[in-house]
Amino acid sequence: DAKTTQPPSMDCAEGRAANLPCNHSTISGNEYVYWYRQIHSQGPQYIIHGLKNNETNEMASLIITEDRKSSTLILPHATLRDTAVYYCIVRVVGSGSARQLTFGSGTQLTVLP
Amino acid sequence: KAGVTQTPRYLIKTRGQQVTLSCSPISGHRSVSWYQQTPGQGLQFLFEYFSETQRNKGNFPGRFSGRQFSNSRSEMNVSTLELGDSALYLCASSLEGLAGGGGTGELFFGEGSRLTVL
Repeated sequence: DAKTTQPPSMDCAEGRAANLPCNHSTISGNEYVYWYRQIHSQGPQYIIHGLKNNETNEMASLIITEDRKSSTLILPHATLRDTAVYYCIVRVVGSGSARQLTFGSGTQLTVLP
Repeated sequence: KAGVTQTPRYLIKTRGQQVTLSCSPISGHRSVSWYQQTPGQGLQFLFEYFSETQRNKGNFPGRFSGRQFSNSRSEMNVSTLELGDSALYLCASSLEGLAGGGGTGELFFGEGSRLTVL
């Protein structure tokens, strides 16, 4: 699986949009971009995923650049409960080849009151 | 529907002992994978089971083992515990095995079992 690079930490004011970047310059054509987050001492929680089109769900939006070498997770109105470590992961889905989920260091997002 | 259930949530063992952790996946999920999380190494993949067969294995010593039952419940065992085995052990279930087979690739994680080795 392609490696990802994320900033170690970011701050965001409550109520503002949080934009979390991820670089995945070696991504392959059949690899999806996944985002998970982990609130302190809890299990990681799935947020969103996409292949090449921008995606939106009730939690967030995912913007993938046209060359797919980077993406941005957007939390439109951050709340204090969004404080967590956010992980960007790229992986193949349904390829029939063995893959394991590789978590990097993630970005510690702190939402400030 | 019920989420992924891991037991026990907390446990304390001493060096040299062994430990067994249990994971009940979401109903209908046949893939169960295990991860170890430590402050120094982060989240690391241990192994994945699908239909009672181990299909993927991470880079951990043979002291770490697991199995899956016909009802998809899974257990992992760590023998001859070392201080460095102190960690949060996370289980995740999925409709899709990591090696493919349908679903969206989304993993559902449990709350984890926090193991402390003294």
